[in-house]
Amino acid sequence: DAGVIQSPRHEVTEMGQEVTLRCKPISGHNSLFWYRQTMMRGLELLIYFNNNVPIDDSGMPEDRFSAKMPNASFSTLKIQPSEPRDSAVYFCASTRKAEAFFGQGTRLTVV
Amino acid sequence: ELKVEQNPLFLSMQEGKNYTIYCNYSTTSDRLYWYRQDPGKSLESLFVLLSNGAVKQEGRLMASLDTKARLSTLHITAAVHDLSATYFCAVDFTGTASKLTFGTGTRLQVTL
Repeated sequence: DAGVIQSPRHEVTEMGQEVTLRCKPISGHNSLFWYRQTMMRGLELLIYFNNNVPIDDSGMPEDRFSAKMPNASFSTLKIQPSEPRDSAVYFCASTRKAEAFFGQGTRLTVV
Repeated sequence: ELKVEQNPLFLSMQEGKNYTIYCNYSTTSDRLYWYRQDPGKSLESLFVLLSNGAVKQEGRLMASLDTKARLSTLHITAAVHDLSATYFCAVDFTGTASKLTFGTGTRLQVTL
């Protein structure tokens, strides 16, 4: 299995632009999570889906952030408009049988 | 408030030495996870502890869980340089393996 696949690996964008991060979970995993990692705040859970349904989005920082999971094999995290303080590494993870597997992350830089 | 605290935050140790990283959490849970992260890399699952008294070992690392004390430990035996990384514990407070709250991480540096 290829594991959790995220794209792009790196993204540099200008403030105000829309950014879309993508995630393909491991086949057969029924839960998917988006995390954000920064030096200041560590790892924060943004949102998670169970069977493609958003269960808890309380970690989404603002209305500028939105996430979708249209099917079991794909999810997106969108930031519109982006701001410099959104700069972070964004991880996607999927779980099966009480174990979470993380993707390689997307390093986002907003200038 | 759900909190997961690790200590120390930074640990520098010599090769061959033993040390323990501690993970305390604020509310009852019997699901605790340990992850390793190398610089610029993703999180790699090390241990999944799912019951009180659970103990798991892999190579020079051993993890244990005491749910009554709300404490997990990650013990390093005879450290080697390859163990240098940041170690995170994470707790599932929901009981459904659905939402992990991470500790702050312990950055381990093993010197030659």
